[in-house]
Amino acid sequence: GAVVSQHPSWVICKSGTSVKIECRSLDFQATTMFWYRQFPKQSLMLMATSNEGSKATYEQGVEKDKFLINHASLTLSTLTVTSAHPEDSSFYICSARWEDYEQYFGPGTRLTVT
Amino acid sequence: AQKITQTQPGMFVQEKEAVTLDCTYDTSDPSYGLFWYKQPSSGEMIFLIYQGSYDQQNATEGRYSLNFQKARKSANLVISASQLGDSAMYFCAMRSPNNDMRFGAGTRLTVKP
Repeated sequence: GAVVSQHPSWVICKSGTSVKIECRSLDFQATTMFWYRQFPKQSLMLMATSNEGSKATYEQGVEKDKFLINHASLTLSTLTVTSAHPEDSSFYICSARWEDYEQYFGPGTRLTVT
Repeated sequence: AQKITQTQPGMFVQEKEAVTLDCTYDTSDPSYGLFWYKQPSSGEMIFLIYQGSYDQQNATEGRYSLNFQKARKSANLVISASQLGDSAMYFCAMRSPNNDMRFGAGTRLTVKP
């Protein structure tokens, strides 16, 4: 199957700082990328959907000014958590697909804000 | 709106036995896909099986089979001959064309030796 990578796989940052997470589709062009957040012992919750070259569509309750998503190319999307706080600590998973075909998931990034 | 429901927070099964994980869904789209994923403690989402809404036969992939009952809107996952390595979280998900994938709450499966 297709491969989606995320970097970093884990990150620890101090409260008030910003963290950028990268999501790359390695062997296909992703017209759409998705960002999910998963708190411990909970399900994946969709944060936003981004199409290459256009602004991301955020789910209700997700602050777009706090979670900045950039999908600048067909193989790269970034999620920046701005002014991170301990409550932002979570497992962030990206997913990518080309057109309306199969959706592939990245391995996830574990963010801990101290 | 799409909705996925998994009513079993946790399940136990004896090694080598079969287990069924429940999933029901709700959608107004006539065309949709149903998925099951396994998430071990490492966090990665491992694709297990897919069922299309127009598929006539239940999907099977090795020890995994999907009991698709369209009229009841259920898509239960059956794992046969459970192995210790099957212990993980299992998520049911649904996607309609041009829509994103939505997940159920998940079921934690524990396989006992």
